[in-house]
Amino acid sequence: AQSVAQPEDQVNVAEGNPLTVKCTYSVSGNPYLFWYVQYPNRGLQFLLKYITGDNLVKGSYGFEAEFNKSQTSFHLKKPSALVSDSALYFCAVIGNTPLVFGKGTRLSVIA
Amino acid sequence: DTAVSQTPKYLVTQMGNDKSIKCEQNLGHDTMYWYKQDSKKFLKIMFSYNNKELIINETVPNRFSPKSPDKAHLNLHINSLELGDSAVYFCASSQDLPTGGRGNQPQHFGDGTRLSIL
Repeated sequence: AQSVAQPEDQVNVAEGNPLTVKCTYSVSGNPYLFWYVQYPNRGLQFLLKYITGDNLVKGSYGFEAEFNKSQTSFHLKKPSALVSDSALYFCAVIGNTPLVFGKGTRLSVIA
Repeated sequence: DTAVSQTPKYLVTQMGNDKSIKCEQNLGHDTMYWYKQDSKKFLKIMFSYNNKELIINETVPNRFSPKSPDKAHLNLHINSLELGDSAVYFCASSQDLPTGGRGNQPQHFGDGTRLSIL
């Protein structure tokens, strides 16, 4: 069965510093990997996805993610964090079963 | 225009009651979903419909019954509500099927229905 692990419940970063939110996955076959963001009292919003091709994927709001097949990871990154990036971030994977979400990582960007 | 809209936004009711949540999408998508997000923010798929046909039915009590009158609407009816049903329920849609080679399209989520059972 496919699964996603987000090892950090909370990530704190100072505004202007780079941020990383970690995600590892387990799936048979080729994975489709996604990052979503959830702001308070809102639904999830799609940030970016990896399907195939270039391992570095660029998405919305300046976010990017790097697919690493050997480490089965798909970490979310941003070169310079903004206070407005503070939210709950979900990694998700599709294989032969429907989309499975990680438990989420709360990102706090401190001014 | 809101792409995926759910009503009501908040639902407060007593144990044992029956309630419905409605969802509509104006994106022209073929597939719609219901998810449950618990108090720890864990998100789990409940059901999915593709062109009005049920394609995913996860381990959910049969008190929960989805209905899709057309591909733009997916409603969720819950009978005999229990305390453990308290959660936020999200509707979502995607262009195509949610698995395999056609599962690479992102899902679009509504803003959720917060269900509180007294």
